[in-house]
Amino acid sequence: KQEVTQIPAALSVPEGENLVLNCSFTDSAIYNLQWFRQDPGKGLTSLLLIQSSQREQTSGRLNASLDKSSGRSTLYIAASQPGDSATYLCAVLGGNFGNEKLTFGTGTRLTIIP
Amino acid sequence: DAGVTQSPTHLIKTRGQQVTLRCSPKSGHDTVSWYQQALGQGPQFIFQYYEEEERQRGNFPDRFSGHQFPNYSSELNVNALLLGDSALYLCASSLMVTAEAFFGQGTRLTVV
Repeated sequence: KQEVTQIPAALSVPEGENLVLNCSFTDSAIYNLQWFRQDPGKGLTSLLLIQSSQREQTSGRLNASLDKSSGRSTLYIAASQPGDSATYLCAVLGGNFGNEKLTFGTGTRLTIIP
Repeated sequence: DAGVTQSPTHLIKTRGQQVTLRCSPKSGHDTVSWYQQALGQGPQFIFQYYEEEERQRGNFPDRFSGHQFPNYSSELNVNALLLGDSALYLCASSLMVTAEAFFGQGTRLTVV
């Protein structure tokens, strides 16, 4: 059974700092890994998708890496801004068919202090 | 492109009632999945629909059922509501080939 863990559960940093969010998963047989952002009471916004054959993806100030063999991914946020405050969720895609079920961590709640 | 749209946004039901939630996928997507998110938790997989068939199901009772229509839109039905069914219900759509999931804004269901 796939299990996803995110550390830390909560993080507060001053504006302008660079930061790293961590995600680990127990089963390396994944189809892809996605990082999402969720604002309170809202849906999920996809930030980055890394296919199982890739090592990293970048979008603007965000960079995500994937080490499938060790079951780890990191999300790097450069030059943090107050608008980055949200919960960040990591999810791995797998399942019996290989690509039907996302398994999520419980998220990291990020607060950027102006 | 309207993205994934869900209706209604909020719903209050009484224990024992039945509820239907609706989802329209992102334009061009052929696969719809449903997730339940309790407060402070990550979303949990309910089931996935592809070509109007339930392709895979998570660890949810038979009270949870669904449907996918020929236009790829989908419904989630929950019978005999329990207080514990109170949650944010999220719909995600994707293309079977690429499998990148896009989520709607969710339906907040409160059972009283």
